[in-house]
Amino acid sequence: DAGVIQSPRHEVTEMGQEVTLRCKPISGHNSLFWYRQTMMRGLELLIYFNNNVPIDDSGMPEDRFSAKMPNASFSTLKIQPSEPRDSAVYFCASSLPRTGGETQYFGPGTRLLVL
Amino acid sequence: AQSVTQLDSQVPVFEEAPVELRCNYSSSVSVYLFWYVQYPNQGLQLLLKYLSGSTLVKGINGFEAEFNKSQTSFHLRKPSVHISDTAEYFCAVTVTGSARQLTFGSGTQLTVLP
Repeated sequence: DAGVIQSPRHEVTEMGQEVTLRCKPISGHNSLFWYRQTMMRGLELLIYFNNNVPIDDSGMPEDRFSAKMPNASFSTLKIQPSEPRDSAVYFCASSLPRTGGETQYFGPGTRLLVL
Repeated sequence: AQSVTQLDSQVPVFEEAPVELRCNYSSSVSVYLFWYVQYPNQGLQLLLKYLSGSTLVKGINGFEAEFNKSQTSFHLRKPSVHISDTAEYFCAVTVTGSARQLTFGSGTQLTVLP
């Protein structure tokens, strides 16, 4: 089992550029979550999908952020245009909901630095 | 809405000493509770979780936690820590039922000293 795969692991970009983060969930999992981790705000849920459909995007900070899940094995989180305050570690997690309390499995994260 | 409070941001402890990391939650409905660990430059890994049944939950790496409904707490304990336990520990909660979102606490950095 390869676990949740995220790419790139590190990204350095300049303010105003578009950034695309990628996630491949564990095969068979049908829920996918995007989190952001910063020193100031801790771990925040940005958006989550169930069966490729966005269920709750209330955590997405603003219109510059968008997320898609075109199929069960791939999701993207896009920031356009990027700003220095977007610098953070972005985690993707997946789970297989059954009766509740399912474990979320986290990827290694993408460390984003916006200059 | 639910919330999680981790009372200690940093806990230094000597190797082979016991440790307790505190977690309190707030929710108007029934919850599931989790502890995750994050090693440097890695993602989060589940240590243990409470869904129902016995209030004492055992997890990986010798950790255990006790669910106390009256005190709305879910403290994490280990009787004897190792250097390798140095990491950040997160308590998280989700409501039972259809919701799947985890709400995380702010984390506790456990540093085990030789």
